[in-house]
Amino acid sequence: AQSVTQLDSQVPVFEEAPVELRCNYSSSVSVYLFWYVQYPNQGLQLLLKYLSGSTLVKGINGFEAEFNKSQTSFHLRKPSVHISDTAEYFCAVSLSGGYQKVTFGTGTKLQVIP
Amino acid sequence: EPEVTQTPSHQVTQMGQEVILRCVPISNHLYFYWYRQILGQKVEFLVSFYNNEISEKSEIFDDQFSVERPDGSNFTLKIRSTKLEDSAMYFCASRANYGYTFGSGTRLTVV
Repeated sequence: AQSVTQLDSQVPVFEEAPVELRCNYSSSVSVYLFWYVQYPNQGLQLLLKYLSGSTLVKGINGFEAEFNKSQTSFHLRKPSVHISDTAEYFCAVSLSGGYQKVTFGTGTKLQVIP
Repeated sequence: EPEVTQTPSHQVTQMGQEVILRCVPISNHLYFYWYRQILGQKVEFLVSFYNNEISEKSEIFDDQFSVERPDGSNFTLKIRSTKLEDSAMYFCASRANYGYTFGSGTRLTVV
């Protein structure tokens, strides 16, 4: 079965500084990878996804992530964060194809400090 | 952009009561899901549904839970006799080939 590990439960970062949120996955077969953002008391919004092809994936709000198969990682990055990026970020994995469910990590709370 | 719609956004129910959470998936999607998120915890898979039957369910999805697609547009999650520990945010999702779309969730509070 596939799994996702987000080692950092909280990441504080100053406004306009760069940030990287780490995600490692485990699977013996090919997967799709996702990053979702959840603002307080709201639903899940897809930031970006990796299905195949280019390992650098660009998403909404200036975020990007790089798929690294050898390191089984899919870290999320943003070169300059804003106060409005304060939220919880979930990495998720799905086996490719069919009806496969999404398995979520435990989330990383990004706190942007003014 | 197409959306997954969930109603109600917040429901309060008494322990032991039945509750039905409603979802309208994206119209051309074929796969449907329910997930839940207990406050402060990660999002957990409950059940997937395809071709009018359950494809997979987690150990959370016991006999108290059921899903239905009664009319080709709605997708419902029923909890037969709610417990305090069922209090959570419940997310519906639908999927075409690659992309999941999640609804904004129903916050269920069992008192």
